[in-house]
Amino acid sequence: DTGVSQNPRHKITKRGQNVTFRCDPISEHNRLYWYRQTLGQGPEFLTYFQNEAQLEKSRLLSDRFSAERPKGSFSTLEIQRTEQGDSAMYLCASSLRGTGGDEQFFGPGTRLTVL
Amino acid sequence: AQKITQTQPGMFVQEKEAVTLDCTYDTSDQSYGLFWYKQPSSGEMIFLIYQGSYDEQNATEGRYSLNFQKARKSANLVISASQLGDSAMYFCAMREKAGTYKYIFGTGTRLKVLA
Repeated sequence: DTGVSQNPRHKITKRGQNVTFRCDPISEHNRLYWYRQTLGQGPEFLTYFQNEAQLEKSRLLSDRFSAERPKGSFSTLEIQRTEQGDSAMYLCASSLRGTGGDEQFFGPGTRLTVL
Repeated sequence: AQKITQTQPGMFVQEKEAVTLDCTYDTSDQSYGLFWYKQPSSGEMIFLIYQGSYDEQNATEGRYSLNFQKARKSANLVISASQLGDSAMYFCAMREKAGTYKYIFGTGTRLKVLA
């Protein structure tokens, strides 16, 4: 499978615990995005990487959230001291720098439930 | 502030008929990109079509076309010859401005194709 993969697909955790999600983009894609999607809403932009550099970060990304993309390949999103409001689907997408539109390929998402 | 508005929470269309999904946007920038994505019940977002703000012709991709009316700030998606597999959530999105990779999404329209 050469698409974007995300692990785990589901995560249930207790409030206050830390969680980490992983995203493996399409191999030649240099751009990587993280989004959060809650029920009935569209995805909300969280952060963007070009290669290993984190170039944009939403104000939604509080100090409890951190993302990395070492070596410009896979990426991790960590949430520290989870809160019930963090319950959502976390989506990763990747794209290849080029002309015209920036077609993003999305992964299946990680569904987080904070009890 | 940039904003995407999708006013149709749900739509029905008869199989083989055409359907238009509405999207209006708000931006003060001259350079921006508009996108449509499909999200089936399986959850993965699928890119459908892109329109750049400077593109003079409406974008088309197979059965999908984007009716771009710049003065009205609308970017409606037209699906021709609807198929049962078109039943899904559809999201309109905008890349805020040139040089940024922050995307904003609308709240989506749920399309149901009837046999």
